[in-house]
Amino acid sequence: GAGVSQSPRYKVAKRGQDVALRCDPISGHVSLFWYQQALGQGPEFLTYFQNEAQLDKSGLPSDRFFAERPEGSVSTLKIQRTQQEDSAVYLCASSPSGPNTGELFFGEGSRLTVL
Amino acid sequence: QKEVEQDPGPLSVPEGAIVSLNCTYSNSAFQYFMWYRQYSRKGPELLMYTYSSGNKEDGRFTAQVDKSSKYISLFIRDSQPSDSATYLCAMRAAGDGNKLVFGAGTILRVKS
Repeated sequence: GAGVSQSPRYKVAKRGQDVALRCDPISGHVSLFWYQQALGQGPEFLTYFQNEAQLDKSGLPSDRFFAERPEGSVSTLKIQRTQQEDSAVYLCASSPSGPNTGELFFGEGSRLTVL
Repeated sequence: QKEVEQDPGPLSVPEGAIVSLNCTYSNSAFQYFMWYRQYSRKGPELLMYTYSSGNKEDGRFTAQVDKSSKYISLFIRDSQPSDSATYLCAMRAAGDGNKLVFGAGTILRVKS
C-alpha cells in the first residue's frame, strides 16, 4: 500500500522480554517519527530521524528504548526488558520533507501489552 | 499541568448539529496548530493545519486560533455519524522540527 506500514499490529510480551517494532514509511519520505500513545491520551513524541540520522531522541523515556533507521527507510523501535508501563500504542509517522514543515502521515500503530 | 489541555468528553450530538471542539495551551512559543482525527484502532489523520492566529475553513470544518488567549477551536458543521471519532489538537513551536505536542483528544459521537 501507499501508507505507513507498521508491524506487528499487536504484541503481547511478558515483563522483562525484549520487543522490536517495525515501521515502513511512505516511499521517499525523508523524515520519520515515533510517538507513544497511552490509553486515553494523545500521542507523545519519542524520537525523530531525518534520513538515517537520529536528530532528536529527547522523548525516549529510558535507556531501555532504542530506535534505528540504518538505511534511511525502514525503522525499528526496540524496547529492552519491557515493563508494564511500556504498554501503549506505538505510532510511526513519516513526512516527505525535512523538519519544520507540514503534514505527518501516521501508521495504524503497534499495540504493545506487557503482562 | 500539561502544556496542552483538551476536554476528553465524550461529546454526544445529534446528526446535523454544529460541533465545537477546543484546546488551551500554555506555551506561548507554539505557532503551528493542527487538528487530527483518529478513528478507533487507527492512526491520526490530519484535518486542519493553521499558522499563528486566525481562521481557516475547509468544507464543513473551520479551525480558529486565538494566540492572545492561547485557545484553539475546531468547528464541524452539519455533523455526520461518520464524524464519530477522537479529535486531537496538536501544536509545535517554530524551529522545533516536527515535534508535535498533542492534547489528550476529545471523543465525539454523532447520533443518527
